[in-house]
Amino acid sequence: GDSVTQMEGPVTLSEEAFLTINCTYTATGYPSLFWYVQYPGEGLQLLLKATKADDKGSNKGFEATYRKETTSFHLEKGSVQVSDSAVYFCALSVDGATNKLIFGTGTLLAVQP
Amino acid sequence: KAGVTQTPRYLIKTRGQQVTLSCSPISGHRSVSWYQQTPGQGLQFLFEYFSETQRNKGNFPGRFSGRQFSNSRSEMNVSTLELGDSALYLCASSLAVGLLNSPLHFGNGTRLTVT
Repeated sequence: GDSVTQMEGPVTLSEEAFLTINCTYTATGYPSLFWYVQYPGEGLQLLLKATKADDKGSNKGFEATYRKETTSFHLEKGSVQVSDSAVYFCALSVDGATNKLIFGTGTLLAVQP
Repeated sequence: KAGVTQTPRYLIKTRGQQVTLSCSPISGHRSVSWYQQTPGQGLQFLFEYFSETQRNKGNFPGRFSGRQFSNSRSEMNVSTLELGDSALYLCASSLAVGLLNSPLHFGNGTRLTVT
């Protein structure tokens, strides 16, 4: 079935370090791909999305490119800040007519000053 | 604009009891979805409502049910609670159905503990 696999955390980085969180997927058809972020004590927020192959989603300095050939959607940021500390979820949607998302297990990012 | 409001924030119940969780979507949003978040299974889709109709249901037993009212507010009910139902239950609302043009806005969740 459809699924998302994320790298296990926690990921601990120093401020201004480069961030990569790996995400790969298995899906029938042509899914849309998303990254959500969950800050401590808050609900999930959409960070970025991509709807077709080679699309690049970007927001708040984060980027992810939809790679169909490697079924991947890795999240990157060039210089992380302490305020980026959160849990990051990769997700996919295979049916554009619903609001159903299939999530990865989440990756905890801790950024130290 | 107020966000998605879920009540209560915390709930403690005993095995065998039933529970009702409430979700008030963002004003004007007509679609509500529910997700269960646990350390072992992660985030799993429960169901989705639009204009009072259930449009999609995840792979959960019949003990899990929900409904949506004419004002778009939604409730989910879990009957005959089991220890494994302990989780954070998240509600999300959107203007319409279709994630590409109508992103989900999540509430902070209801933390259910079953003892």
